[in-house]
Amino acid sequence: EIVLTQSPGTLSLSPGERATLSCRTSQSVNSEYLAWFQQKPGQAPRLLIYAASKRATGIPDRFSGSGSGTDFTLTISRLEPEDFAVYYCQQYGYSPRKFGQGTKVEIK
Amino acid sequence: EVQLVQSGAEVKKPGESLKISCKGSGYNLTSYWIAWVRQMPGKGLEWMGIIYPGDSDTRYSPSFQGQVTISADKSINTAYLQWSSLKASDTAMYYCARQLGTALVSPLAYWGQGTLVTVSS
Repeated sequence: EIVLTQSPGTLSLSPGERATLSCRTSQSVNSEYLAWFQQKPGQAPRLLIYAASKRATGIPDRFSGSGSGTDFTLTISRLEPEDFAVYYCQQYGYSPRKFGQGTKVEIK
Repeated sequence: EVQLVQSGAEVKKPGESLKISCKGSGYNLTSYWIAWVRQMPGKGLEWMGIIYPGDSDTRYSPSFQGQVTISADKSINTAYLQWSSLKASDTAMYYCARQLGTALVSPLAYWGQGTLVTVSS
C-alpha cells in the first residue's frame, strides 16, 4: 500500500503569509490521483485540489497544487483568517486510498 | 444541489450491532461511488471502503475488511455502514462522501455531516 507523509506537522504563520505544505508518497503516484482536503474543527473535510493541481468548484485561486511522482505541494499564497485549519492529502488511484496524517496550519 | 445527510449520533455498548446511514439527494445515487471515512477522536482521516450503489460493487481497505459491512439501497438513495459487534475502538466520527465523477477513480467531492459513534460500557 502507498503511504503518504505530510510535512510539517504544524505550520505557524500569520495572515497574509504564504503557506507551503508537502505530501510525499512511498511510491510514485499518477498526479491525476492526488487530492488535498481542508478540515476545520467540527466540520467535514472539503475538497480543495484534485488531480494534483485542479481546484475544486468554489475554491479561491490563492490555493494551488503542484507536484508529480512522489512529491506534491499545496500552496496558499496569502493566508486568510478562514484558512487556518488542518490539511490532508490523499491518493485515490490505488487501493487502499490512504490519506496523509495531516498538516495543521495555525495562527502565529 | 448534491447533499448527503447522515443519520444521527449513536451511543452503544461493546458487542452491540449498529447500522448508520447516508442518504443522497440532488443526484442519481446509483451513478456515483460512495465512500466511508473514519476519523477517530483527535486523529486523521482513514479511508474505509467504497460502494457503487448501482450494483453494490464494494471495495474495502484491508484495515476494515471483515470489521464492517458497507451496503446500499438504491431504491431509497441510501448507503449504509454497519457493525455486527462494536468495540470501544470503533468510537469515532464516520463520514460518507460521494465522488466527483462517475468513474471508479475520482476524488471525494461531496461529504456528509458525519455520524458520531460512541461505544462505551
